[in-house]
Amino acid sequence: EIVLTQSPGTLSLSPGERATLSCRASQSVSSSYLAWYQQKPGQAPRLLIYGASSRATGIPDRFSGSGSGTDFTLTISRLEPEDFAVYYCQQYGSSPGITFGQGTRLEIK
Amino acid sequence: EVQLVESGGGLVQPGGSLRLSCAASGFTFSSYWMHWVRQAPGKGLVWVSRINSDGSSTSYADSVKGRFTISRDNAKNTLYLQMNSLRAEDTAVYYCARAAAGNWTPLNHWGQGTLVTVSS
Repeated sequence: EIVLTQSPGTLSLSPGERATLSCRASQSVSSSYLAWYQQKPGQAPRLLIYGASSRATGIPDRFSGSGSGTDFTLTISRLEPEDFAVYYCQQYGSSPGITFGQGTRLEIK
Repeated sequence: EVQLVESGGGLVQPGGSLRLSCAASGFTFSSYWMHWVRQAPGKGLVWVSRINSDGSSTSYADSVKGRFTISRDNAKNTLYLQMNSLRAEDTAVYYCARAAAGNWTPLNHWGQGTLVTVSS
């Protein structure tokens, strides 16, 4: 099973700043089958990025993903108030199934 | 508009059983792989199970293998999760989610979840 480790656990930033979230895999993620999700309190997760770098439908271009192999990054170029949430990385390219990272909480400084 | 609506959650005693349902609409249900993902209170997301589009192939997390069964009724556009031998550690919000297409695709639509509480 591929284990995903996200860092930092909590990130404290101000609106307008740049956020960089990391996700490291215990082994190479096949064909960049790596996604990022955003989850706000009381809501279901929302797909942001898939294939490591492709934005999902309707996701603003301030969100970008990069990386390959075992190291992946989610970048939010200029934080908006609605971006403060928990972010999860996920790999979906191995058997028997999907694994998620433990999450990064992005909080207002 | 894609909609996924879970139901069937509630309070159950340890060792008991529960069946969750997920009613799908707004898309051709029989064309998509479906998943169950859970989230314990205050914790992260954990994948539980998945089923292919015609129901002939399933996979489970080790933590639920042998206790949970995923199934679907494509005529009723409904996904199910039969949960037996429930434990306290199964307490969580259970989300059904649709894969973007087949296997090896992300989860691009989620329901709002149903809470399962296992307690005496």
